[in-house]
Amino acid sequence: GENVEQHPSTLSVQEGDSAVIKCTYSDSASNYFPWYKQELGKGPQLIIDIRSNVGEKKDQRIAVTLNKTAKHFSLHITETQPEDSAVYFCAALGGGSYIPTFGRGTSLIVHP
Amino acid sequence: GAGVSQSPSNKVTEKGKDVELRCDPISGHTALYWYRQRLGQGLEFLIYFQGNSAPDKSGLPSDRFSAERTGESVSTLTIQRTQQEDSAVYLCASSLAPSYEQYFGPGTRLTVT
Repeated sequence: GENVEQHPSTLSVQEGDSAVIKCTYSDSASNYFPWYKQELGKGPQLIIDIRSNVGEKKDQRIAVTLNKTAKHFSLHITETQPEDSAVYFCAALGGGSYIPTFGRGTSLIVHP
Repeated sequence: GAGVSQSPSNKVTEKGKDVELRCDPISGHTALYWYRQRLGQGLEFLIYFQGNSAPDKSGLPSDRFSAERTGESVSTLTIQRTQQEDSAVYLCASSLAPSYEQYFGPGTRLTVT
């Protein structure tokens, strides 16, 4: 089955800095890669996703890049703000399966 | 519009008791998922419903866990004879099949004493 590794487990940055979270996956058939943000006491919220037919996708301060050859994808947050502080999860799915495999999460802390 | 809702938000139960957790998906979403999230951990898949197809139960950790869904609406997750290791947040998500975007509810925090 699919295996998703996510790094780092904790990331601490100063407000205004950029943050990068990286994930690798094992199943080359995976073709959909969502990223979720989970604030304390809440359920995960989809913030951006990418499919295997594109290499990069941007939405304001958030971007995701995908390297299918290397089987890794990354979340980039620019100009971080304290409200970006949360746990971020990556996931991978596809190849006929609708069940995503999640990474273990990254706790992002943005210091004012 | 209304998102995914779950009830109760918190549940404290004694070891050995049965509990029932409820999920109301977004209207029109044919796919529904249950996950378990232990403290500080990632999301562990439990069960997946898609329309009227047989559910994918491959993630259920033991026969004490079961789930039902009525058509394309409400789902209930039942844990029988609860154990302390069942303590976790149980999350429900729904999506418009065949698209992959999942929308999560706020979760039910289960504490087994």
